[in-house]
Amino acid sequence: DAMVIQNPRYQVTQFGKPVTLSCSQTLNHNVMYWYQQKSSQAPKLLFHYYDKDFNNEADTPDNFQSRRPNTSFCFLDIRSPGLGDAAMYLCATSRMSGDNEQFFGPGTRLTVL
Amino acid sequence: GEDVEQSLFLSVREGDSSVINCTYTDSSSTYLYWYKQEPGAGLQLLTYIFSNMDMKQDQRLTVLLNKKDKHLSLRIADTQTGDSAIYFCAESITAVGGGSQGNLIFGKGTKLSVKP
Repeated sequence: DAMVIQNPRYQVTQFGKPVTLSCSQTLNHNVMYWYQQKSSQAPKLLFHYYDKDFNNEADTPDNFQSRRPNTSFCFLDIRSPGLGDAAMYLCATSRMSGDNEQFFGPGTRLTVL
Repeated sequence: GEDVEQSLFLSVREGDSSVINCTYTDSSSTYLYWYKQEPGAGLQLLTYIFSNMDMKQDQRLTVLLNKKDKHLSLRIADTQTGDSAIYFCAESITAVGGGSQGNLIFGKGTKLSVKP
């Protein structure tokens, strides 16, 4: 089945220790998104790639970076995680046409100790 | 700026209808969506409605859109315990020149609890 996969599902890191979350898709969608969702809050868009074009949200901290080496994979790098970065990180993909339906992965829950 | 508001909690009895409400601010939204999130899982698209429609029905789900009041609702008929989840309303921001820009603005979600 075509899908959006996120690894790992749970990630624990130490304050200030860099961490990378990964997302892969078999849908061959040209757009990939990273959202941050804190407890009891709405998902908040961090950035997205339209093919290779990177689009950063204005309020996304510099601590968050992303890489998309090919159509299928996208990575979220947190250079120096703080306690406030503990959250669920959701990856999504879309075709960016028509209804712009976004397909979400199961998320990675990040804990910062 | 854009904002999407939802009530945070809704409790219903199994078999009753559930109505989850949402208000949004961007009058130029092209599409409005309802997503479902079960505990520990990602978001699952339930249904969406194009901004020039008033109503959309899909099996047990009915979406009503009042563009004048910028009000969106999701009705779940014959609610089951498996419907217990958080339901997010989202709007798609219109890009300059029309069409979806791709960014979704989500509400905080409504937690639906279904009592047997």
